[in-house]
Amino acid sequence: SQKIEQNSEALNIQEGKTATLTCNYTNYSPAYLQWYRQDPGRGPVFLLLIRENEKEKRKERLKVTFDTTLKQSLFHITASQPADSATYLCALDPSGGYNKLIFGAGTRLAVHP
Amino acid sequence: DTGVSQNPRHKITKRGQNVTFRCDPISEHNRLYWYRQTLGQGPEFLTYFQNEAQLEKSRLLSDRFSAERPKGSFSTLEIQRTEQGDSAMYLCASSPGGGRGDQPQHFGDGTRLSIL
Repeated sequence: SQKIEQNSEALNIQEGKTATLTCNYTNYSPAYLQWYRQDPGRGPVFLLLIRENEKEKRKERLKVTFDTTLKQSLFHITASQPADSATYLCALDPSGGYNKLIFGAGTRLAVHP
Repeated sequence: DTGVSQNPRHKITKRGQNVTFRCDPISEHNRLYWYRQTLGQGPEFLTYFQNEAQLEKSRLLSDRFSAERPKGSFSTLEIQRTEQGDSAMYLCASSPGGGRGDQPQHFGDGTRLSIL
């Protein structure tokens, strides 16, 4: 069956450390993968998109990698801050067409001062 | 760019009642999506519009659900004869459309539906 899996348990880290979140997928061959941030009671907010021919993408303190052989994406936040505490969702488009997204369940990140 | 707007933010209703939600996408966006999200889960795709045409509807969506996007602008999602299992956050998103599909989606803050 097709699945997108993210760390189900919350990730707790100390301020200033690097947070690494994992997204694994099975039985999909996505042309790209997206990461979103979601705060409680709010809609998801787009962070980064990485294509299958890109190994790595960066934006400020964020870095995403995409390994189509391992069927895995890693999302890194360097020099983490308490304001980074949120749920992070990975999503892919199974059709590669009109951007219908399939989401993972998300990983909750808590950054402690 | 005022963002995607959804109304109401919260809706509490009794089982068996009909409810309707509204979504106003970003004005120049052609594509509009509806998702449903329950606690601890990611958003789940419900349906998609390209302008006023509804191009896909999830098989998970029962006949009690209907969505429209008249004139290709705002959209409404109606649930008839609500059931307990319909309690969820209903999210709307939009994207520019055209060309490649790999475009970010812009989400509203959702309508939280609670069925008593």
